[in-house]
Amino acid sequence: GAVVSQHPSRVICKSGTSVKIECRSLDFQATTMFWYRQFPKKSLMLMATSNEGSKATYEQGVEKDKFLINHASLTLSTLTVTSAHPEDSSFYICSAIGAGNEQFFGPGTRLTVL
Amino acid sequence: DAKTTQPPSMDCAEGRAANLPCNHSTISGNEYVYWYRQIHSQGPQYIIHGLKNNETNEMASLIITEDRKSSTLILPHATLRDTAVYYCIVKQNTGNQFYFGTGTSLTVIP
Repeated sequence: GAVVSQHPSRVICKSGTSVKIECRSLDFQATTMFWYRQFPKKSLMLMATSNEGSKATYEQGVEKDKFLINHASLTLSTLTVTSAHPEDSSFYICSAIGAGNEQFFGPGTRLTVL
Repeated sequence: DAKTTQPPSMDCAEGRAANLPCNHSTISGNEYVYWYRQIHSQGPQYIIHGLKNNETNEMASLIITEDRKSSTLILPHATLRDTAVYYCIVKQNTGNQFYFGTGTSLTVIP
């Protein structure tokens, strides 16, 4: 099946710094990607829909200025957690829509904010 | 919002069939039922999806009731590697967004 990668797989940063997470579709083009976050022992929560060449659509309660999303090409979307705080520590997962309308998920990025 | 309810956990003996139920009583006419699973600290993995008819692939079978208000994912011969959280998702027809419910944590016991 189609492959979606994320980089980095895990990151530790100091409070107040910004962290960028990349999501790439490796063997297909994705006009739409999604970003999720997942707290320990909880389900995935959809944060935003990333659209190539246009602004992301954020779910209710997700701060767009806090979580900056850029989808500059058909194979890359980035999520930047700005001014990270310990409560932003989470597992961030992206997904991309393939040609058959299936959604393929990346392996996730573990963010720890100290 | 998630439109599905699943039991929080289930056990299954290795080699036996695992039957995971899902209720989606408010499903609309052209909304699909998708199943994904997530092994600890990994991204979700696609298993199967269907609309009305039962579906089967190399991983599992999906049985959808005639009224479409519930479905069952069947892993025919569970192995230890099938231990994971299984999510049943109703894909809303207004977009491609997936709203995950709480899922079922399946433990396959040797």
